[in-house]
Amino acid sequence: EVHLVQSGAEVKKPGESLKISCKASGYSFTNYWIGWVRQMPGKGLEWMGIIYHHDSDTKYNPSFQGLVTISVDKSINTAYLQWITLKASDTAMYYCATTQDGSYSWPEWGQGTLVTVSS
Amino acid sequence: QSALTQPPSASGSPGQSVTISCTGTSSDVGGSNYVSWYQHHPGKAPKLMIFDVSKRPSGVPDRFSGSKSGNTASLTVSGLQAEDEADYYCSSYVGRIYVFGTGTKVTVL
Repeated sequence: EVHLVQSGAEVKKPGESLKISCKASGYSFTNYWIGWVRQMPGKGLEWMGIIYHHDSDTKYNPSFQGLVTISVDKSINTAYLQWITLKASDTAMYYCATTQDGSYSWPEWGQGTLVTVSS
Repeated sequence: QSALTQPPSASGSPGQSVTISCTGTSSDVGGSNYVSWYQHHPGKAPKLMIFDVSKRPSGVPDRFSGSKSGNTASLTVSGLQAEDEADYYCSSYVGRIYVFGTGTKVTVL
């Protein structure tokens, strides 16, 4: 059974950097995707981008291109979402999700990581 | 790529049916066989309810069904139950990226 575990809640100040993680377990192969989704307070879900675990091929949604970096460490089956310079508007819940290559829906989700950016 | 358009809210009494629409364009919903629907209780992980327009994952009650006509996909929940009260989002695969709908809050009266 595939399972995603995300890193814990973070409280940061504007201008700081941050890297949150999403560890996958239960896969017996490497051809799967990890996606990241943002939910700002009181707002809807937004796709940020996806990364292919097998070769790190990454696709960003236009609204997030250049604002965040998605990466993967294949040796520990962990994907990351990174900010170099946080802003207060990055305050949100962030979810990771996973699907097998060739599938276009996301059946497994992490529990979410709450990021609070405040001075 | 803009968010797909969903009605902000929908409601029904227990046992009734509710249908949620998800309207896009010929470049996304209209041109994609990969429309999915997610149920989201705030603070919890989203749950896949429908994939590939009309397929149900194992474990999802058959009260949930999906369809598509032109640029509009729909999710129907039949025989509403209290636990169906949640936010629902459609999602479409669009040229190497995914896009969500604006979300619909379903209230069971």
